[in-house]
Amino acid sequence: GAGVSQSPSNKVTEKGKDVELRCDPISGHTALYWYRQSLGQGLEFLIYFQGNSAPDKSGLPSDRFSAERTGGSVSTLTIQRTQQEDSAVYLCASTPGGAGGEKLFFGSGTQLSVL
Amino acid sequence: SQKIEQNSEALNIQEGKTATLTCNYTNYSPAYLQWYRQDPGRGPVFLLLIRENEKEKRKERLKVTFDTTLKQSLFHITASQPADSATYLCAHTGKSTFGDGTTLTVKP
Repeated sequence: GAGVSQSPSNKVTEKGKDVELRCDPISGHTALYWYRQSLGQGLEFLIYFQGNSAPDKSGLPSDRFSAERTGGSVSTLTIQRTQQEDSAVYLCASTPGGAGGEKLFFGSGTQLSVL
Repeated sequence: SQKIEQNSEALNIQEGKTATLTCNYTNYSPAYLQWYRQDPGRGPVFLLLIRENEKEKRKERLKVTFDTTLKQSLFHITASQPADSATYLCAHTGKSTFGDGTTLTVKP
């Protein structure tokens, strides 16, 4: 596609439920990032995929968070047993090769609200 | 820990004036810094990258400087317009580190 696509754009869930957020990166981009942005805050790094390498999961806040990237393209971020503090905008970004200094192309994000 | 700090949460200026936003980094020496613009409800959009051996970079009305002695980058918007109103983020994407952003409001 023309840009990074994220779905759904909004998700409202109840505390304790599991949610899946989807990211479709720009075609041909080998690097994919997930970030979390709480209201009025900067971006918090969650996880990074580069090609077929093992993902960098160092930013995942707890074992309730996981992500996978199938076929080197689409990625899914899963949050199990959601908590109210998980409410935030989840942003996905991709870059062509993952080299240092490459600009990130972001999607519009998924606004997650946990009631 | 490695940090990027943007000192001002908000900056209000009059149309036509120059906006200057500050980004400071601590506990490391990034080889480059990037600046992004974020509008409400949207993801950040890349504006400029400046490397540590570049003192200044320009793009249209935008100018970025990098001072490794002060550990600081300055982002300038000259002849500002209401359409420049947005949140501007400083980042070192190699470490996936972003500042909290400065929200600029340009008043007509």
